[in-house]
Amino acid sequence: NAGVTQTPKFQVLKTGQSMTLQCAQDMNHNSMYWYRQDPGMGLRLIYYSASEGTTDKGEVPNGYNVSRLNKREFSLRLESAAPSQTSVYFCASKPRSSTTNEKLFFGSGTQLSVL
Amino acid sequence: RKEVEQDPGPFNVPEGATVAFNCTYSNSASQSFFWYRQDCRKEPKLLMSVYSSGNEDGRFTAQLNRASQYISLLIRDSKLSDSATYLCVVNMGRPPISTSGTYKYIFGTGTRLKVLA
Repeated sequence: NAGVTQTPKFQVLKTGQSMTLQCAQDMNHNSMYWYRQDPGMGLRLIYYSASEGTTDKGEVPNGYNVSRLNKREFSLRLESAAPSQTSVYFCASKPRSSTTNEKLFFGSGTQLSVL
Repeated sequence: RKEVEQDPGPFNVPEGATVAFNCTYSNSASQSFFWYRQDCRKEPKLLMSVYSSGNEDGRFTAQLNRASQYISLLIRDSKLSDSATYLCVVNMGRPPISTSGTYKYIFGTGTRLKVLA
């Protein structure tokens, strides 16, 4: 099993460009999450999803949109990238939506730089 | 005020030392608590869950104090390989009815530990 796969691993954008970060998991998990991590800071929750077609805002949703079109995939879109969105982005998943004590399974991250 | 707070450190300790980290959380409805370890901006990995009665895994001991809303991690006999950032994670409890029905996992800012030879 590949687990949680994020693409691309690295990306450089110019201010104003758009792009979509892809995340896919092959573990049949229900819940999926997008986080960003800036230097000296922990992970901050951008959006999360309990199941296909449902999403919720996290701590820092402004400037992002997400899409959960199926159970496997949860994409994060930057419509008009800004330098403040330079960060490492992590996608995570967990098996069930309704439980609280499960660990998160993480992808290896996407390093995004916006110039 | 952040929902989950940690002292960022760094904590520089000699090999063999005992070191403890605390983490406070603001939401009294929080249900589950975890410590994750992160190396050099790689993906975080679960170190241990934190149970109400406290729990131990080898050299690592985790405690939960619901009354004061904090969790702690104690590392005994520190090894060079323990050098990392330790992230406190809190599951923020039942969401409002209008949301999709799963739970937010909120991370603290992390505490950096350096174990020195």
